[in-house]
Amino acid sequence: DTGVSQNPRHKITKRGQNVTFRCDPISEHNRLYWYRQTLGQGPEFLTYFQNEAQLEKSRLLSDRFSAERPKGSFSTLEIQRTEQGDSAMYLCASSPTLAGGSTDTQYFGPGTRLTVL
Amino acid sequence: AQSVAQPEDQVNVAEGNPLTVKCTYSVSGNPYLFWYVQYPNRGLQFLLKYITGDNLVKGSYGFEAEFNKSQTSFHLKKPSALVSDSALYFCAVRANTNAGKSTFGDGTTLTVKP
Repeated sequence: DTGVSQNPRHKITKRGQNVTFRCDPISEHNRLYWYRQTLGQGPEFLTYFQNEAQLEKSRLLSDRFSAERPKGSFSTLEIQRTEQGDSAMYLCASSPTLAGGSTDTQYFGPGTRLTVL
Repeated sequence: AQSVAQPEDQVNVAEGNPLTVKCTYSVSGNPYLFWYVQYPNRGLQFLLKYITGDNLVKGSYGFEAEFNKSQTSFHLKKPSALVSDSALYFCAVRANTNAGKSTFGDGTTLTVKP
């Protein structure tokens, strides 16, 4: 078990550019989550998938943000026309489903730190 | 709606002394409660959780937490702190009916001095 992996670990971009991040969850986990964390704050929920279906999106996720999980395995998070306010750590987590359908612990990846200049 | 409060930004303890990091929560329905630890430039590492059953849960690295429904609290504790416990600690809550969104507190920085 290699845990949740995220690539790249760091991304520096200029305002207005598009960026894409990738998350590979723990292999048997069918739920995948994206969070954003800024300095001095806890992670804020962005969206989550069950298999390939995107089931919930936060109001934080503006139209410039899109996430996909096309085959129910890895996921990508794209930010279009980046703004300086998008600078943050983007965290991915995955979790298995408990018997009965409820969700177990979310396990987090190391994050992708985005800096928008 | 669900929310978490970690009332202390910073907790300082001496090595060998007991430590407590406080967390209170608000959620509709029964809560699932979690503690995570974060080291600099790293993701969150799971420490322990309360889902149901015994109010005292034990987790990694000698940490434990007590669920108190009447006080809506889930304080993290350790009987004897180590310098290596110094890190940022996050409490999180999710309603048992909510498969998705977890809500995190803003974190408490624990510093253990030798």
